[in-house]
Amino acid sequence: AQSVTQLGSHVSVSEGALVLLRCNYSSSVPPYLFWYVQYPNQGLQLLLKYTTGATLVKGINGFEAEFKKSETSFHLTKPSAHMSDAAEYFCAVSKGQAGTALIFGKGTTLSVSS
Amino acid sequence: EADIYQTPRYLVIGTGKKITLECSQTMGHDKMYWYQQDPGMELHLIHYSYGVNSTEKGDLSSESTVSRIRTEHFPLTLESARPSHTSQYLCASSDREAYGYTFGSGTRLTVV
Repeated sequence: AQSVTQLGSHVSVSEGALVLLRCNYSSSVPPYLFWYVQYPNQGLQLLLKYTTGATLVKGINGFEAEFKKSETSFHLTKPSAHMSDAAEYFCAVSKGQAGTALIFGKGTTLSVSS
Repeated sequence: EADIYQTPRYLVIGTGKKITLECSQTMGHDKMYWYQQDPGMELHLIHYSYGVNSTEKGDLSSESTVSRIRTEHFPLTLESARPSHTSQYLCASSDREAYGYTFGSGTRLTVV
């Protein structure tokens, strides 16, 4: 069975500091991996995704993530945090096969202080 | 510009009432999903559909029902609302899993 683990339910950084949100997955087949962001009282917005090919993927708002098969990880990073990055972040995994839906992690709340 | 629309955004309703949460998308996606999200919690899949007249229950047991009569429309119905149904309900659609999902803005339901 697939699962997603996000380490740290709450991460706090200062404006301008590195953002690192951790995601580990388990999957019996090569997965599709996603990061979503959710701002208060809104739905989820796709930040970036890994399906095949280059293991370092770049997304919107300066975020990027690296797929590491040996570590079963897909950590999200941003070199310099901005106040507007404060939100809830969800990692998700899909087997990419017909008849399966995305499985989401429990989310990580990112706080950015000035 | 949102291509998937959920109405209402907020709903406060009394116990025992029947409610329908609307979800419509204009992208022609075959796959549509309903997730339930409690505050500060993960998303749980409660229903999904891979096309017209196709609906399945998700991982989280739910007393709600869904229908898919038209490709663009995937409403969720609660026949008799209870306080335990208080939650945020998120609708999503997808063309292919590899592309990810497009989410609506959600309906925050409060049953009093």
